[in-house]
Amino acid sequence: EVHLVESGGGLVQPGGSLRLSCAASGFTFSSYWMSWVRQAPGKGLEWVANIKKDGSEKYYVDSVKGLFTISRDNAKNSLYLQMNSLRAEDTAVYYCVRDPYGAYFDYWGQGTLVTVSS
Amino acid sequence: DIQMTQSPSSLSASVGDRVTITCRASQGISNYLAWYQQKPGKVPKLLIYAASTLQSGVPSRFSGSGSGTDFTLTISSLQPEDVATYYCQKYYSAPLTFGGGTKVEIK
Repeated sequence: EVHLVESGGGLVQPGGSLRLSCAASGFTFSSYWMSWVRQAPGKGLEWVANIKKDGSEKYYVDSVKGLFTISRDNAKNSLYLQMNSLRAEDTAVYYCVRDPYGAYFDYWGQGTLVTVSS
Repeated sequence: DIQMTQSPSSLSASVGDRVTITCRASQGISNYLAWYQQKPGKVPKLLIYAASTLQSGVPSRFSGSGSGTDFTLTISSLQPEDVATYYCQKYYSAPLTFGGGTKVEIK
């Protein structure tokens, strides 16, 4: 059974940094693209970034380009999101999602809440 | 970037009703469209990909159609457990944009 477990969320001040992690199990991690999707409180879904199976390609939504970095460690079955220069508008639940072809999202973690506030 | 517009933003229907949600792309995206269901307080769930392919385990009362710029998600007979917000998402190219969502309630 596919399991995706996020960690690393919390309260951070504006301008601060945070690193999210996602531990994957139940599938061959290195065979899949992976994505981060976020959802601000009471709002809709927003794709943030994705990364190819071997880490050779990465894509970002414009609002986080140059601020966030997605990475993966296939030996550890783990996905990461380094978030720098955080702003109030980055406050959201961040979901780790499996992304079969760099396309749609077939399995979702439970999410980790990031709150950016002073 | 290609924008995705869903309509209506919310609807209320009776159990057993046929419900249709529309998603429109600002440019043609072939059939590179997925639909998700998010029940209150829950994680989103993939319903349909490639515009009309039902994800494994999804009830057959859900169906999708369309190509190019106009797409629909249809629930053939609304059930109480279908109360949720539904999102479309395009994957023709990055960014992988979601529509604004359609909240479905029971009348």
